[in-house]
Amino acid sequence: AQKITQTQPGMFVQEKEAVTLDCTYDTSDPSYGLFWYKQPSSGEMIFLIYQGSYDQQNATEGRYSLNFQKARKSANLVISASQLGDSAMYFCAMREVNNAGNMLTFGGGTRLMVKP
Amino acid sequence: DAGVIQSPRHEVTEMGQEVTLRCKPISGHNSLFWYRQTMMRGLELLIYFNNNVPIDDSGMPEDRFSAKMPNASFSTLKIQPSEPRDSAVYFCASSLWGAPGNQPQHFGDGTRLSIL
Repeated sequence: AQKITQTQPGMFVQEKEAVTLDCTYDTSDPSYGLFWYKQPSSGEMIFLIYQGSYDQQNATEGRYSLNFQKARKSANLVISASQLGDSAMYFCAMREVNNAGNMLTFGGGTRLMVKP
Repeated sequence: DAGVIQSPRHEVTEMGQEVTLRCKPISGHNSLFWYRQTMMRGLELLIYFNNNVPIDDSGMPEDRFSAKMPNASFSTLKIQPSEPRDSAVYFCASSLWGAPGNQPQHFGDGTRLSIL
């Protein structure tokens, strides 16, 4: 079974609107972390936001927030007030604390396209 | 602060040739990761090191691939002999192992490899 599932291969959003990118995960480890990365067309991988499994609050970083629903094993990324520069691939990733190191498991990504 | 530095940025070579990709992690980071990204397979972890020691190389596709980390500030990924199917973007990433779980992996800009 896939550990990280991103069910939306591609999405469109109108500029200035909010958009939610879905991510579900599968783990039996009680302690884990969830990360979101952005990959623009230039190719670099940019870390956006982190959510720990024991965090009481949903993570927020500027226009990015995480809708973390632990019982549903989902960690959806919400981008508010979309900008043209938000057009990119977005990857969800998980670190299970019981693995030997800092290994991340990545989802297949969602391509977001912001329309002017 | 300098990020993860990869070289070369682009490499075009003929099949059968040896290819060496280089990575300098962020100073002070003690985990280093090599990934390969293709349209078909997405982002794949090839190998990772903690404190210069290879921990998991199960993602290395074949014996043609090898990776070394002779010291904390340098790693190489070598393909010998190269084949057209090795064409991909290769990323190096580093992070702090042993630190709190919210430490992200920081990625280099990648090496775009084309094998003709």
